[in-house]
Amino acid sequence: KQEVTQIPAALSVPEGENLVLNCSFTDSAIYNLQWFRQDPGKGLTSLLLIQSSQREQTSGRLNASLDKSSGRSTLYIAASQPGDSATYLCAPKGNYGGSQGNLIFGKGTKLSVKP
Amino acid sequence: DAEITQSPRHKITETGRQVTLACHQTWNHNNMFWYRQDLGHGLRLIHYSYGVHDTNKGEVSDGYSVSRSNTEDLPLTLESAASSQTSVYFCASSESRTGVETQYFGPGTRLLVL
Repeated sequence: KQEVTQIPAALSVPEGENLVLNCSFTDSAIYNLQWFRQDPGKGLTSLLLIQSSQREQTSGRLNASLDKSSGRSTLYIAASQPGDSATYLCAPKGNYGGSQGNLIFGKGTKLSVKP
Repeated sequence: DAEITQSPRHKITETGRQVTLACHQTWNHNNMFWYRQDLGHGLRLIHYSYGVHDTNKGEVSDGYSVSRSNTEDLPLTLESAASSQTSVYFCASSESRTGVETQYFGPGTRLLVL
């Protein structure tokens, strides 16, 4: 059964810092991996999706990498801003049929960017 | 713009009552999902559907049911609400025919069972 761990659970940084959020997963048989952000009391917003055949994806100040064989993904945020404060969730999608073929979520990293 | 909506956004009910949460998407996606989010557990899959008339159980399906009669809607029914079902419920959808399957989420429904 896939297990997803996100470290650290919480992170506080001053504005302008570059930062890395980590995600590890136990089963490398994944179809893709998606990164989301969640603001307090809101739904999830998709940030980036990396296919299993890709090594990285970029969107603006965000860059996500995937090392499927070692079961790791990182989300790099450049020049952080207070508006980046949110909880960030990673979710690999299993390359199986049935329930394990869906997204499995980590518990997230709560990011706070101080002005 | 295409979107996914949930109603109601907040609901208070009593133990033993039947409750239905609505989910409607205008993306024309074939896949739809229901999750619950609880402190300490993260997001867990309740039920999912890969197309009209298709429904499947997820990780935490006991006490819940879904039916899919059209592409746009996947209502979630709590047959007899229990206090353990107090949670935030999220609906999501994705399209598998493109091979990308980005999943999009609704705003959530906060359910309190007294």
